[in-house]
Amino acid sequence: AQKITQTQPGMFVQEKEAVTLDCTYDTSDQSYGLFWYKQPSSGEMIFLIYQGSYDEQNATEGRYSLNFQKARKSANLVISASQLGDSAMYFCALPSYGNKLVFGAGTILRVKS
Amino acid sequence: SAVISQKPSRDICQRGTSLTIQCQVDSQVTMMFWYRQQPGQSLTLIATANQGSEATYESGFVIDKFPISRPNLTFSTLTVSNMSPEDSSIYLCSVVGLAGPPETQYFGPGTRLLVL
Repeated sequence: AQKITQTQPGMFVQEKEAVTLDCTYDTSDQSYGLFWYKQPSSGEMIFLIYQGSYDEQNATEGRYSLNFQKARKSANLVISASQLGDSAMYFCALPSYGNKLVFGAGTILRVKS
Repeated sequence: SAVISQKPSRDICQRGTSLTIQCQVDSQVTMMFWYRQQPGQSLTLIATANQGSEATYESGFVIDKFPISRPNLTFSTLTVSNMSPEDSSIYLCSVVGLAGPPETQYFGPGTRLLVL
């Protein structure tokens, strides 16, 4: 069964600095994708970035990038040049059968000015 | 990009009553899902809403408590029946089949439910 582990319940980062949010996963699938979502206090879930297991390069999307280490089964999210608006809950997710998503417990990020 | 809307955005309900939440997408999508997020928790899938047939429920969720309809490829409803305070959660619909990487789920803005 698919499993996602996010070990950091909460993180603080100074504005304009970079921060790494950890995500490890467990799957027996050979081909899979990993997703990161952001959930602000408003409650909506915003898709940030996707990494395919066979992608040769780490995914990047603006200030978001993935440090994908397939052998270690980790897909850490790196946010560069943090902004106050980055304060939110962040979830890592892995597709399961039927296109369902299995989510990690999430990490609360707080950006300090 | 496609727009996903949910109604209502929030509600306060009395125990024992029922609430129907609507999810509308402005383009046809292949798959729709309903999730529950209890306070301080991650998202848990309630069911897959199947167009023209009965929803597929996850373990721990039953049709009598969470009836779901999906009459077409752009619309679905979730009803939370006979509510108790434990049903206080954010309910989110999501869809697959919009732009982006395969299997990407895009979420509606959510419905915040408080049951007294």
